[in-house]
Amino acid sequence: SQQGEEDPQALSIQEGENATMNCSYKTSINNLQWYRQNSGRGLVHLILIRSNEREKHSGRLRVTLDTSKKSSSLLITASRAADTASYFCATRQGAQKLVFGQGTRLTINP
Amino acid sequence: DTEVTQTPKHLVMGMTNKKSLKCEQHMGHRAMYWYKQKAKKPPELMFVYSYEKLSINESVPSRFSPECPNSSLLNLHLHALQPEDSALYLCASSRTGDEQYFGPGTRLTVT
Repeated sequence: SQQGEEDPQALSIQEGENATMNCSYKTSINNLQWYRQNSGRGLVHLILIRSNEREKHSGRLRVTLDTSKKSSSLLITASRAADTASYFCATRQGAQKLVFGQGTRLTINP
Repeated sequence: DTEVTQTPKHLVMGMTNKKSLKCEQHMGHRAMYWYKQKAKKPPELMFVYSYEKLSINESVPSRFSPECPNSSLLNLHLHALQPEDSALYLCASSRTGDEQYFGPGTRLTVT
């Protein structure tokens, strides 16, 4: 079963605007990761936030984690056309299994 | 070199064919993974190899047969597939099990 649920399922914004997507999960975690997937391609690891962290930044990305609500958010600031992709959160089940959320399809309009 | 390569990029096969997908990484990662991804869905784990041994099989039908010849290579042998097996097959590798590096995938069509 999928660990993470993401919303919105799809998001369309204008270039330069900020994009926020959310992820909820069901069980306790050690960390949560976000990945990007361009259409029909492999996934790219964006950022990992540990369970004892509340916020983490990487370039134009900001990730928050609220373990009490079992939720995380990914904010992309000053969006660009190249940010158009699907974004997945992922959590670990056991030592080796990574489970992905349903994903948010982000479209940046010029 | 932080790249995972997969061949072929595209594969069309009949239900009676036998084919293989290949994956290679040279990052020294000891965990390698096969995922299946249907359109507009997240990747679903199929197999995990750890130190060249199969450690996880997510109840995948036997028409899919993984193989790890050495620490850099991962194969997925396909035989007697069904049309519903058409999907993007992704290979990944990882040092820790967390940050995974994905290949570009093989787009498989079963006719």
